[in-house]
Amino acid sequence: EVQLLESGGGLVQPGGSLRLSCAASGFRFRYTAMTWVRQAPGKGLEWLSAIGGTGDDNRKPYADAVKGRFLISRDNSQNMVYLQINNLRVEDTAVYYCAKARGYVSPEFWGQGTLVTVSS
Amino acid sequence: QSALTQPASVSGSPGQSITISCTGTNSDVGNYEYVSWYQQHPGEAPKVIIYDVNKRPSGVSYRFSGSKSGNTASLTISGLQAEDEADYYCSSYTIIDTEIFGTGTQVTVL
Repeated sequence: EVQLLESGGGLVQPGGSLRLSCAASGFRFRYTAMTWVRQAPGKGLEWLSAIGGTGDDNRKPYADAVKGRFLISRDNSQNMVYLQINNLRVEDTAVYYCAKARGYVSPEFWGQGTLVTVSS
Repeated sequence: QSALTQPASVSGSPGQSITISCTGTNSDVGNYEYVSWYQQHPGEAPKVIIYDVNKRPSGVSYRFSGSKSGNTASLTISGLQAEDEADYYCSSYTIIDTEIFGTGTQVTVL
C-alpha cells in the first residue's frame, strides 16, 4: 500500500525558513519521481516542483512563482523527499502536499499534507 | 504561467450528467495527452480520477470520463450521485516541463 507522510509544517515568521519532509513507502521509491503541491486556505491547487528518480534526479523543475526560494531534494536511502522553503512570505501559508508522480511531474497519489502558516 | 480555466461551479440533480471544462493553451493542454483530473472532498487530499486525458485508475467509477479537443479538456460525470459533491481540478503537463492546475470547479448535487 502506497503511503506518504508529510511533516515539518508549523508557524513561522516572515523571512524564516522551513524544511518539509515526506516519508514514502509501499512502492519503488528510488525509481519514482516525486512532486510537491500546495493549497492556500480556501484556494486551489498550485504545483510547486518535482524531482526525478534514480538516473533522473538532476531534473528538478520549479514553478516560476517559487523558483529561487524553494529547493527540492531526496534521500533514496531513507525513502524521503524534502522541500526547503526560504525567505517565507505570508502568501506561502498553505497546506503542502507531497505526491508520488505519474510519469515525471503529474501528481498521482497524495499524502495528507502539512500546514505551513507564515505570520508575525 | 496562468492556471487552466475551469468554471467556478457546476450543479446537477441526482442521475443527471454534468461536464466540467478545462481550457488551456497550445503550451499545455493542446500540446500533450497528459491531462489529469482530481476530486477533492472537504478536508481531504485530492484523489486522481482521470489521467492521460481519458484513463481511469483502478477503483474509480466508470461514471467518470475524460476527453479533449484542441486546448480544452473535459470531465463528464454521468449518473450524478450525492457522493460526487466535491471540488474538481484538472491539470496538464506543460511545454516547460512543469505541471499546471486548473482553477477548480465546485460540483453541487441538487
